[in-house]
Amino acid sequence: QIHLIQPPTEVKKPGASVTVSCKTSGYIFGDYSISWVRQAPGQGLEWMGWIRIYTGDPSRDTYYEQKFQGRVTMTTDTMTTTAYLELRSLTSDDTAVYYCARALYGDGIDFWGQGTLVTVSS
Amino acid sequence: DIQMTQSPSTLSAFVGDRVTITCRASQSIDRWLAWFQQKPGKAPVLIYRASTLQSGVPSRFSGRGSGTEFTLTISSLQPEDFATYYCQQYDSFPWTFGRGTKVEIK
Repeated sequence: QIHLIQPPTEVKKPGASVTVSCKTSGYIFGDYSISWVRQAPGQGLEWMGWIRIYTGDPSRDTYYEQKFQGRVTMTTDTMTTTAYLELRSLTSDDTAVYYCARALYGDGIDFWGQGTLVTVSS
Repeated sequence: DIQMTQSPSTLSAFVGDRVTITCRASQSIDRWLAWFQQKPGKAPVLIYRASTLQSGVPSRFSGRGSGTEFTLTISSLQPEDFATYYCQQYDSFPWTFGRGTKVEIK
């Protein structure tokens, strides 16, 4: 069975950074990519970016939505089959559920993690 | 960026009704469109991708379209189908979602 396991919650203060983890299992990690999507309370889905599982040049293997460029970093650890999303300079507008999802360029998203609620509050 | 326009934003229907949700892309995306179902407090679930019904999804769901216009139809609405549905294009980066259609009980 395919699983993408995320911590349920994170609480951060404005100006801080958050790193959300996404532990995968049940498939060959390197055969897929990971996409990150967030959802603010009561709002729709917002695509944040994509990272290919590859040990080469990170600049070729990531795509960040322009809105988040300069503030976001997506990484992966092939040894632990875990993906990470780091978001910096948090504001209250970043309060949302952050989802990781298994993806393939050209094939889209198929499986989702359960989401991590990141609350930014002083 | 490709804009995805979904309609209606809310749909009220009875159990047993046939309902259709429309998604329009601001430029051609060939057939590279996915539909997700999301229930409150849960992660989205893939139900349709590139005109292919996903394994385990009831056949009352059907997706059609290519280019810029797409539809998701539920032939006979069941109680478990009341949820919010999102379309998403994956033709090119950045991938983009529609704003969602909430299907409510009438």
